[in-house]
Amino acid sequence: DGGITQSPKYLFRKEGQNVTLSCEQNLNHDAMYWYRQDPGQGLRLIYYSQIVNDFQKGDIAEGYSVSREKKESFPLTVTSAQKNPTAFYLCASSALTFTEAFFGQGTRLTVV
Amino acid sequence: SQQGEEDPQALSIQEGENATMNCSYKTSINNLQWYRQNSGRGLVHLILIRSNEREKHSGRLRVTLDTSKKSSSLLITASRAADTASYFCATDVDTGGGADGLTFGKGTHLIIQP
Repeated sequence: DGGITQSPKYLFRKEGQNVTLSCEQNLNHDAMYWYRQDPGQGLRLIYYSQIVNDFQKGDIAEGYSVSREKKESFPLTVTSAQKNPTAFYLCASSALTFTEAFFGQGTRLTVV
Repeated sequence: SQQGEEDPQALSIQEGENATMNCSYKTSINNLQWYRQNSGRGLVHLILIRSNEREKHSGRLRVTLDTSKKSSSLLITASRAADTASYFCATDVDTGGGADGLTFGKGTHLIIQP
């Protein structure tokens, strides 16, 4: 089955720790994205990548880092510099230009 | 920055009625898309309308686009309880470099009363 997979579904982090969220797709899409969703805020773009070994900051990149070493994978690291990391994180992919985005099922991150 | 803004924020109707949601945006776009999200899940693409199109249909969905008013509407006809979800519009602004990501509004939460 083609699709986009995020893991884990739930993640708990202690303050001061870095955590990495996984995102894998087998749709052969060039573009991949990370969004953050807070209640009542809609989706906000964290980072996006149009091609392997290249990525761009979105609207709220501070405190996050990404890598794109393989076309299929776009992991997101939430660093200790992110002041309020508790949120629902969504990964998506799309063909390079102007087509629909496919979303994973999300990772809910909670700082404890 | 938020490009699209949906209206109303919440909508509750009886099963069988039609539901209309609106989206306004700020800058010129290449296309506008509508997505659906069930609580706690990922988003699912519903329909894409290009800037040179005025209306598009897909099953019980009808989308209109008015680029002069920078607005779009999503109509769901003959609503069902399973249509209960949040609906988002998303715009793809072309800054000349290809896919720059989609910018989403805050969504309309639709509740269909059985």
